[in-house]
Amino acid sequence: QLQLQESGSGLVKPSQTLSLTCAVSGGSISSGGYSWSWIRQPPGKGLEWIGYIYHSGSTYYNPSLKSRVTISVDRSKNQFSLKLSSVTAADTAVYYCARADLFCSSTSCYTDAFDIWGQGTMVTVSS
Amino acid sequence: EIVLTQSPGTLSLSPGERATLSCRASQSVSSSYLAWYQQKPGQAPRLLIYGASSRATGIPDRFSGSGSGTDFTLTISRLEPEDFAVYYCQQYGSSPETFGQGTKVEIK
Repeated sequence: QLQLQESGSGLVKPSQTLSLTCAVSGGSISSGGYSWSWIRQPPGKGLEWIGYIYHSGSTYYNPSLKSRVTISVDRSKNQFSLKLSSVTAADTAVYYCARADLFCSSTSCYTDAFDIWGQGTMVTVSS
Repeated sequence: EIVLTQSPGTLSLSPGERATLSCRASQSVSSSYLAWYQQKPGQAPRLLIYGASSRATGIPDRFSGSGSGTDFTLTISRLEPEDFAVYYCQQYGSSPETFGQGTKVEIK
């Protein structure tokens, strides 16, 4: 059974870069057919999709965060990562990684709902 | 960006009662690419419904989804004690994918 586990720095100073990793177990991140996403949830608030990466390495980001976000894959470690630069207190949140089925035609790809989630990791932005 | 508005914000019901949750989109959701998630305190969201009406693996049949276009509904036919939680809708037919603000189902 596929499982996801987030890890990374729990406290980040303002203006610095937040870095998180999602380890994939019980399956290979290199197998086709899936997208790998980051989603966040500020304390007491709702969910915000950050972006995802496909097995091919293609990435798609939320326009509201695009200028600050990088999602990458490390196939040798079977994990994917999130970097969010120039953080402020507004970036304080629980960060989740999640998987969704991926369907591709000859011209485009689209994803399904998020069926597997990590447990989440709390990141606080504070000096 | 498609904005999803969920109503009501809070639903106070007793175990055994029927719960009806609404999710309205600011524009039509492509191909009914709408999902519902359940979230309990301190836990990650759990997928309940995808494609507006298909139950995810292992989800009890008391959960059902319906709707199309801009209006969608999650129905819990008879509330069990473990169903009291926050429920989110999500559209994934148009980028960026967006979530509603959530409906809390609490014990009356």
